[in-house]
Amino acid sequence: NAGVMQNPRHLVRRRGQEARLRCSPMKGHSHVYWYRQLPEEGLKFMVYLQKENIIDESGMPKERFSAEFPKEGPSILRIQQVVRGDSAAYFCASSPHTFGEQFFGPGTRLTVL
Amino acid sequence: ELKVEQNPLFLSMQEGKNYTIYCNYSTTSDRLYWYRQDPGKSLESLFVLLSNGAVKQEGRLMASLDTKARLSTLHITAAVHDLSATYFCAVDMGSKNAGGTSYGKLTFGQGTILTVHP
Repeated sequence: NAGVMQNPRHLVRRRGQEARLRCSPMKGHSHVYWYRQLPEEGLKFMVYLQKENIIDESGMPKERFSAEFPKEGPSILRIQQVVRGDSAAYFCASSPHTFGEQFFGPGTRLTVL
Repeated sequence: ELKVEQNPLFLSMQEGKNYTIYCNYSTTSDRLYWYRQDPGKSLESLFVLLSNGAVKQEGRLMASLDTKARLSTLHITAAVHDLSATYFCAVDMGSKNAGGTSYGKLTFGQGTILTVHP
């Protein structure tokens, strides 16, 4: 059973460009979480999604950030018009239950030039 | 707002020594996780603690949870170099969706950077 997959693993963008981060949960998992890790810090919750629904986006910046988890395909975290402060590692986690253990992917390390 | 604090944030140990990392949190919860992260890598699950008094051990690491004190500890016995990594605790106090169903939502500590010297 493959683990949580994220791609790309590394992403470099210039200020003002768009970043798209993808997450494929573990097989059988329909709950996806996104976390952001700034340099030298712990992970911070961004958003929780179930298939086709955003359940909790309380950790998402109000502007430029959006997330989706379509019926088919991976979950996408989209950052529009990136700024240097968006440089971070973005981790996706999936869970088989609403209140189950979360399994983390390898992360996408975003660098904004 | 739930706050999770770890200490120490930096820990330099000699091989063979024992030490404890502490994780304090501000709101009642009985679900706590410990993770290990190597530089540039993802989080590896170490322990899942789901009730007051839970104690789990794996190799040289032992974790415990005291929900009354809102405290978890990660004890390292006879440290070896391979244990060098960053250790995070994460508390899941759960939230409820519009339908009243609880769901997980982790709040992480700042992390403890452990370096084990020969």
